[in-house]
Amino acid sequence: KQEVTQIPAALSVPEGENLVLNCSFTDSAIYNLQWFRQDPGKGLTSLLLIQSSQREQTSGRLNASLDKSSGRSTLYIAASQPGDSATYLCAVKYQAGTALIFGKGTTLSVSS
Amino acid sequence: GAVVSQHPSWVICKSGTSVKIECRSLDFQATTMFWYRQFPKQSLMLMATSNEGSKATYEQGVEKDKFLINHASLTLSTLTVTSAHPEDSSFYICSARLLARSGRARSYNEQFFGPGTRLTVL
Repeated sequence: KQEVTQIPAALSVPEGENLVLNCSFTDSAIYNLQWFRQDPGKGLTSLLLIQSSQREQTSGRLNASLDKSSGRSTLYIAASQPGDSATYLCAVKYQAGTALIFGKGTTLSVSS
Repeated sequence: GAVVSQHPSWVICKSGTSVKIECRSLDFQATTMFWYRQFPKQSLMLMATSNEGSKATYEQGVEKDKFLINHASLTLSTLTVTSAHPEDSSFYICSARLLARSGRARSYNEQFFGPGTRLTVL
């Protein structure tokens, strides 16, 4: 069964810290991997999408890496801010026409 | 661009009634749409894959007679929760697959998500 696991489930950090969120997937033959942000009671905001041929993607203070061989991805957030507080979801697509499979997310709380 | 809308954004209904949720791709055509369900503090679970002009494919454990999916056009898919019960209360999110895009390059085969519909069954 193809599963996506995210560790930790929750994380609390003071403002300004750099942090890493982890995502692992059981089957390394992925098509692409995507990181989303979800605020409480809201929909999804796409942060970064990494194609299977790529190693990393960057957007502002966010950097996502992909290591297919080990079945892992990390989302690095630099200089965290209270506004970064949200749940971060990792999702994997295994084939072009199939749906994204989601992890359970990491709930981040950044205190000022 | 690549905007997906859902309607309604929230709905409260009595047990036993049916509720229809619409998912629209506003600026692109989507031959494939996906329906997800998210219970409180849980992740998104795929319910079904909806293909325009054909029957939806349901994930294991999802009752196809209870969750009716219609994808009659390239920009609209609907999910009808029939005879809703309190245990169906959840956050329903759709996504549409952008197959290709003319003009400026975009990620191929990317899914775009609607804002979700919160269903509360009393």
